[in-house]
Amino acid sequence: VLTQSPGTLSLSPGERATLSCRASQSVNNDYLAWHQQKPGQAPRLLIYGASNTTTGIPDRFSGSGSGTDFTLTISRLEPEDFAVYYCQQYGSTPYAFGQGTKLEIK
Amino acid sequence: QVQLVQSGAEVKKPGASVKISCKASGYTFTNFYMHWVRQAPGQGLEWMGVITPSGDNTNYAQKFQGRVTITRETSTSTLYMELSGLRSEDTAVYYCTRSIEYWGQGTLVTVSS
Repeated sequence: VLTQSPGTLSLSPGERATLSCRASQSVNNDYLAWHQQKPGQAPRLLIYGASNTTTGIPDRFSGSGSGTDFTLTISRLEPEDFAVYYCQQYGSTPYAFGQGTKLEIK
Repeated sequence: QVQLVQSGAEVKKPGASVKISCKASGYTFTNFYMHWVRQAPGQGLEWMGVITPSGDNTNYAQKFQGRVTITRETSTSTLYMELSGLRSEDTAVYYCTRSIEYWGQGTLVTVSS
């Protein structure tokens, strides 16, 4: 089970966002991904292997953590970053998702 | 470029089955695991299952065991997901994904009498 916190995060453009994902047991090989989803769109992979950024993702996005505790950080929020973020573990089946964190404009 | 193009929206009655397709292009289809994920209206993402690159093995989430079948057709680079015994709670957008990297555009399945 993956638990994300907070459920909703209200911030202003230019601020720093820190999103948390905690696993009930250690994630094999730190195979933890972060996806971004905007309304009406399919999710998009941002981070894989806990800290590796997908090609084309701005460097303001970064991932960290290992074992059971993981963090997605957005260093300076841009208007297009306000969305829902999901963590997903893919170290073993089932490839569960967290319940999501909604990042909204304050 | 990698593309996953899914079949169109479906409306089904309770108890019926639905089969959704996902046509892959832009890469070697037989080199990657393929997954299905669903999202009920206003809800989060739910992993349903995976099929191996060769198609000889599947793994399903316990919740869907006995109701879901994932298959793939190498000759057409197409992935399929069939869900039987539909109920209203199965109303959702269903996504195919290549590993965890690429997502299809989604297929809305509505279950209603």
